[in-house]
Amino acid sequence: GESVGLHLPTLSVQEGDNSIINCAYSNSASDYFIWYKQESGKGPQFIIDIRSNMDKRQGQRVTVLLNKTVKHLSLQIAATQPGDSAVYFCAALEAGYSTLTFGKGTMLLVSP
Amino acid sequence: GAGVSQSPRYKVTKRGQDVALRCDPISGHVSLYWYRQALGQGPEFLTYFNYEAQQDKSGLPNDRFSAERPEGSISTLTIQRTEQRDSAMYRCASSHTSPGEGKKLFFGSGTQLSVL
Repeated sequence: GESVGLHLPTLSVQEGDNSIINCAYSNSASDYFIWYKQESGKGPQFIIDIRSNMDKRQGQRVTVLLNKTVKHLSLQIAATQPGDSAVYFCAALEAGYSTLTFGKGTMLLVSP
Repeated sequence: GAGVSQSPRYKVTKRGQDVALRCDPISGHVSLYWYRQALGQGPEFLTYFNYEAQQDKSGLPNDRFSAERPEGSISTLTIQRTEQRDSAMYRCASSHTSPGEGKKLFFGSGTQLSVL
């Protein structure tokens, strides 16, 4: 099975700082990863994804890094804004399967 | 529709009653998923459909839980003889792709179930 965990339950940053949220996964057969953002009272919202044949992917203000050797991925948010405050989940998909396994989440708190 | 729609938004029921939770996915989406999310936790997989076919129900906790998607669009998650431990946020998600093409799921706002 797959176990997906996050290193820190809460991350507090100042507005304008860069944020890094980490995630570890256990199943080396996982080949697709997604980061979701969940604001209070809402469902998880897709941020960015990455396949295992890549080690980096960039979006708008966000970058996901994948290190398959140590089964670790991270989400970097540049110039963090108060609107980035939310819980962030990583999720992994094992090759040949169709169900995402979610981690527990990291709460990002951005202070003005 | 514009997004995944779930109803009701809140459901309060007494222990032993049956409940039916509805999900209306994004129009044209092939795959529909049901997840359960406890407070402070990530979503936990329950079951999923491709079109009207239930592909995997391995996450359903027990036989009191069932789901259907008879016409390949709207889905209903039914919990029979509810128990207090069933209290949780139930989330539906849909995806336009088939398995193996990436699982970018779009989530609804969920149904908060409270069993008294």
